[in-house]
Amino acid sequence: EVQLVESGGGLVQPGGSLRLSCAASGFTFSSYEMNWVRQAPGKGLEWVSYISSSGSTIYYADSVKGRFTISRDNAKNSLYLQMNSLRAEDTAVYYCARWGAFYDILTGDYYYYMDVWGKGTTVTVSS
Amino acid sequence: AIQMTQSPSSLSASVGDRVTITCRASQGIRNDLGWYQQKPGKAPKLLIYAASSLQSGVPSRFSGSGSGTDFTLTISSLQPEDFATYYCLQDYNLYTFGQGTKLEIK
Repeated sequence: EVQLVESGGGLVQPGGSLRLSCAASGFTFSSYEMNWVRQAPGKGLEWVSYISSSGSTIYYADSVKGRFTISRDNAKNSLYLQMNSLRAEDTAVYYCARWGAFYDILTGDYYYYMDVWGKGTTVTVSS
Repeated sequence: AIQMTQSPSSLSASVGDRVTITCRASQGIRNDLGWYQQKPGKAPKLLIYAASSLQSGVPSRFSGSGSGTDFTLTISSLQPEDFATYYCLQDYNLYTFGQGTKLEIK
């Protein structure tokens, strides 16, 4: 079964740090790009960060740039998000999501989407 | 950054109704758009990719259309399990979600 399981969430004080993990199983993790997406309580979805399959290309949302670091260990089938200088507005459920692709043999085009999601881990930043 | 404006933000409808949700991009994004369904306390689920392609296993009452800046998600005949929140996501330039549309039972 294709699965993503997040862990590492919890309660942390403003200015503190937390490291989230996402364990992948049921697919060849090293072949897939990955993302972190978050959802503040009662709010919509917000993309946080992207990492390529090799880890060589990384992007961040402006809201977390300079504070969060995405990484992966393909040997351990794991994705990480190191979160520093945490703020109250970082309080959210954090999801890891696989960036899947479909190759249309008729058109020669690739189509991309977040096709597998974990159940999320909750981060609460509060004093 | 590309902005995605989704409308309406909420919608009341009845079982059997046909409903349409719209997303408008602040610039052209070709067909680099997906639609996701989220139920309370659950992770989002992919419904549509590349604006109009139905993800495997998703019922055919869901359909997507559009290209460039204007996109729609249509549910042809609402079923009880369709009451949820729906999001669009552009991946033309990084990623941006729409604000979401909460579909409620009338």
